[in-house]
Amino acid sequence: AQRVTQPEKLLSVFKGAPVELKCNYSYSGSPELFWYVQYSRQRLQLLLRHISRESIKGFTADLNKGETSFHLKKPFAQEEDSAMYYCALSGIDQGAQKLVFGQGTRLTINP
Amino acid sequence: NAGVMQNPRHLVRRRGQEARLRCSPMKGHSHVYWYRQLPEEGLKFMVYLQKENIIDESGMPKERFSAEFPKEGPSILRIQQVVRGDSAAYFCASSPVRGNEQYFGPGTRLTVT
Repeated sequence: AQRVTQPEKLLSVFKGAPVELKCNYSYSGSPELFWYVQYSRQRLQLLLRHISRESIKGFTADLNKGETSFHLKKPFAQEEDSAMYYCALSGIDQGAQKLVFGQGTRLTINP
Repeated sequence: NAGVMQNPRHLVRRRGQEARLRCSPMKGHSHVYWYRQLPEEGLKFMVYLQKENIIDESGMPKERFSAEFPKEGPSILRIQQVVRGDSAAYFCASSPVRGNEQYFGPGTRLTVT
């Protein structure tokens, strides 16, 4: 079975401080991992996916297969980073059809 | 490109009524996915459709729920005889090909009174 766990429902950090949003997954096949973000009053949008290895808005995430983790990091938080963040997984070996989401972490950046 | 469109944005139904949720994918996208988000939970996959075909309905409740994506027109998620537990946000996503990035609509918030 596929499962994504985001242990923190709420995370609050000060502007300029480092941010790490945790994501752990459970999947026996070949996973593809994503981070989606939802800013206030906006729709859910893709932030980054592990296969592209890009850094978007200063965020990075590395897939650690040994620890089955895909934590999202940013060295210096900005106020505009305040949003709801969802980690998601799809099975490459299952045709990468459906996304399995974690419960989400609400990130608040304090000035 | 206007993005994925969903309507209505808010829908109120009394117990026992039917709810119809519509999703128009982005132009050029022929793959549609429906997800449900219950309060305080993440999005949960319901069904994946291509034009005129249901590809994966493993997340659909066995009764009262159905989905279609006809050759012409939007995809429809239909909930018959709604109950209070159906109150949730329903999101639609589309992609141009399977396995590609999914683009999400703004969601329909269903409230059952």
